[in-house]
Amino acid sequence: QVQLQESGPGLVKPSETLSLTCTVSGGSISSYYWSWIRQPPGKGLEWIGQIYYSGRTNYNPSLKRRVTMSVDTSKNQFSLKLSSVTAADTAVYYCARGGVVAENWGQGTLVTVSS
Amino acid sequence: QSALTQPASVSGSPGQSITISCAGTSTDVDNYNYVSWYQQHPGKAPKLMIYDVSNRPSGVSNRFSGSKSGSTASLTISGLQAEDEAHYYCSSYTTTSTLFGGGTKVTVL
Repeated sequence: QVQLQESGPGLVKPSETLSLTCTVSGGSISSYYWSWIRQPPGKGLEWIGQIYYSGRTNYNPSLKRRVTMSVDTSKNQFSLKLSSVTAADTAVYYCARGGVVAENWGQGTLVTVSS
Repeated sequence: QSALTQPASVSGSPGQSITISCAGTSTDVDNYNYVSWYQQHPGKAPKLMIYDVSNRPSGVSNRFSGSKSGSTASLTISGLQAEDEAHYYCSSYTTTSTLFGGGTKVTVL
């Protein structure tokens, strides 16, 4: 059973860049789409974007200007960078296997944007 | 793009059936058979319950079923159990991305 684990700073200052990594274990990162999804405290889910193992990406139009995703097949990891963050970007960030269908999810990591 | 529209809450007694609706538009639910449903218990990550409108992943109870009519998708939970109390989110592929619904809180009375 594939497992995913998010890692990265839990606190980011306004205007800075949020950086998270998702490590995949129990399976290869190859031949799949991988997604990032976030959930502000007490609110619903928001799709951030997806990346294919080859590096092809598709981002949420509302976040596209600030989002960059990348994949490192040698480390079985994929990453998210979100620039120019504000308090509105405070959320639990999940990584997941799948693009349109998020089949397996990480446990999520809370990222707070505050000075 | 606006989120898909779900009722804020649905409730039912143990053993009953309930249905959660997910209203979209011609650019998402109506145009693609890529509707998924996720269950989320408090403090936990979402879990895939239904994909491609009506398919259940291995291990998901057959009490959960999905359907679609036009631009509205539905999730039905039959034989409601206490463990089904959770938030449920629909999602759909769109022409440019993936959309989620606002979520529905299911309460077992």
